[in-house]
Amino acid sequence: NAGVTQTPKFQVLKTGQSMTLQCAQDMNHEYMSWYRQDPGMGLRLIHYSVGAGITDQGEVPNGYNVSRSTTEDFPLRLLSAAPSQTSVYFCASRQEGNTDTQYFGPGTRLTVL
Amino acid sequence: AQSVAQPEDQVNVAEGNPLTVKCTYSVSGNPYLFWYVQYPNRGLQFLLKYITGDNLVKGSYGFEAEFNKSQTSFHLKKPSALVSDSALYFCAVIPQGGYQKVTFGIGTKLQVIP
Repeated sequence: NAGVTQTPKFQVLKTGQSMTLQCAQDMNHEYMSWYRQDPGMGLRLIHYSVGAGITDQGEVPNGYNVSRSTTEDFPLRLLSAAPSQTSVYFCASRQEGNTDTQYFGPGTRLTVL
Repeated sequence: AQSVAQPEDQVNVAEGNPLTVKCTYSVSGNPYLFWYVQYPNRGLQFLLKYITGDNLVKGSYGFEAEFNKSQTSFHLKKPSALVSDSALYFCAVIPQGGYQKVTFGIGTKLQVIP
């Protein structure tokens, strides 16, 4: 199994540009999440999905959109990038239970100029 | 509101010595508690978790953690540190309301000195 994969690894955007961060998992996990990691703030939940066709907002959803058309894929879209969205983004997946372990992707380092 | 505190930005320990990385939490009800490790330029990796039962939880790479309900703590420990343990460690708490309420600590950098 490849686990959780993310592309790209690095990205530089200009303010106002849009882009999609890709996330895929091959573990047949129902739950997938997007986090951002900022210095001194730990990880914060952006959006999550409990299955194909079902998504919901996390702690910091503004400026981001998600969709879940398949079990495997959970892309994160930045509609109009802002410098405040400069961060490292992690995708994670897990089975259904609240006690189940999350598996994280390697991350995407995004810089918005 | 729930919270997780990792009071030390960095912990330095000599190789071979025991290590402790501290975590305290505040949450309603009985929480689920996790420790993750992050190596440079990598995603988080699961170390161990407390769900219920024995307060001492054993995990990967020789790490263990002790759940203390009265002190609302979940400190990570290892009897003998290795240089390869140097990394960033995150504590996370999930209330029984579910993963959408997960809260991570800000992380503690562990530096093991040869």
